[in-house]
Amino acid sequence: EPEVTQTPSHQVTQMGQEVILRCVPISNHLYFYWYRQILGQKVEFLVSFYNNEISEKSEIFDDQFSVERPDGSNFTLKIRSTKLEDSAMYFCASKRTSARQETQYFGPGTRLLVL
Amino acid sequence: AQTVTQSQPEMSVQEAETVTLSCTYDTSENNYYLFWYKQPPSRQMILVIRQEAYKQQNATENRFSVNFQKAAKSFSLKISDSQLGDTAMYFCAFMKPYNTDKLIFGTGTRLQVFP
Repeated sequence: EPEVTQTPSHQVTQMGQEVILRCVPISNHLYFYWYRQILGQKVEFLVSFYNNEISEKSEIFDDQFSVERPDGSNFTLKIRSTKLEDSAMYFCASKRTSARQETQYFGPGTRLLVL
Repeated sequence: AQTVTQSQPEMSVQEAETVTLSCTYDTSENNYYLFWYKQPPSRQMILVIRQEAYKQQNATENRFSVNFQKAAKSFSLKISDSQLGDTAMYFCAFMKPYNTDKLIFGTGTRLQVFP
């Protein structure tokens, strides 16, 4: 069964550094998402992306964050200048159609630690 | 704003027994979608079951069923005949029916199934 994959599984970075988290959504999916979970807290929505544009973003998704689909397979989340509070598990998700109730398929996550 | 609350951080159950995980939510919407996702250790979050609020009948998927109480804004997950493979983090999630397809998650319940 097709799966969403994410790389790296773990990333450690210094505060102020740029990081790029990579996701490969399921191949025929058109709608893409990033969520994050700070340790011990809720999974929070960051951004949704369709047709090479951001569809919706949360208040967390400020100017330090950007998303891109650089080719036909990858979907990336960039954090330009990481802060300590960016330490979290970052989940990518995708789904095939715009139907609200359609399943969002999640990747295994990237654990980001900012020192 | 919508919120989702899972009041049980951890639960345990013996193999073959039944366990119920609680979820409550707060919304002023009349129609919406509710989901239970399962995240096994070091694995992807996968959809377990979904419920559309306008459907009165409780959703079931094999050993998994929900008790959807719309007036009480409660959406509990019952796992019958628990198996060791059910050991996972379980997240309850809410989605509005329009203008957005972001999932709003609870903090999760860690379920341990013992032999």
